Amino acid sequence: SQTIHQWPATLVQPVGSPLSLECTVEGTSNPNLYWYRQAAGRGLQLLFYSVGIGQISSEVPQNLSASRPQDRQFILSSKKLLLSDSGFYLCAWSVLRSEKLFFGSGTQLSVL
Amino acid sequence: EDQVTQSPEALRLQEGESSSLNCSYTVSGLRGLFWYRQDPGKGPEFLFTLYSAGEEKEKERLKATLTKKESFLHITAPKPEDSATYLCAVRVQGGSEKLVFGKGTKLTVNP
Repeated sequence: SQTIHQWPATLVQPVGSPLSLECTVEGTSNPNLYWYRQAAGRGLQLLFYSVGIGQISSEVPQNLSASRPQDRQFILSSKKLLLSDSGFYLCAWSVLRSEKLFFGSGTQLSVL
Repeated sequence: EDQVTQSPEALRLQEGESSSLNCSYTVSGLRGLFWYRQDPGKGPEFLFTLYSAGEEKEKERLKATLTKKESFLHITAPKPEDSATYLCAVRVQGGSEKLVFGKGTKLTVNP
């Protein structure tokens, strides 16, 4: 069966520090991969998605970047965090051309 | 601009008290409407996908319906374990992989 791993679960970082969140998927090949952010009082916002290794699409211009170094690995990064980067970050995957998303357990990021 | 609006923002029910959650959408072309359940501090869990007006899906005490402008999530005789935030999302035409999510309805079922 397919599983998605996302870590860490909780992260507290000072303003200006770097960020690296990692997500891996097991049990499937060539998945579509996504990073979403959920801020308090707002709906889930798509940040990045990837349909293959090295292929990244950005939905929102911001302080973050994403990379997909391997087929089932998706990384969210920042060189310098801002206060506004705080939120609940979710990684998700879907089968190519399927439309159902499977989400990871999320990372609660607090930038202080 | 594609929009998804969910109502109410929060709903409190007594155990066994049936009700409905609403998801209205304004999109250029609907390719699918999705319902998810999200427990506090966790990622959303997929419930249903609806594709065309008149379609219905059921799972235990939940039934989702779709019209041309909105979807309803009906909860029949809810139990405390049904307490969660229910999210609605739509996929629109145009080839984008993006789902547009509503802000959710937080459901609390009291014993």
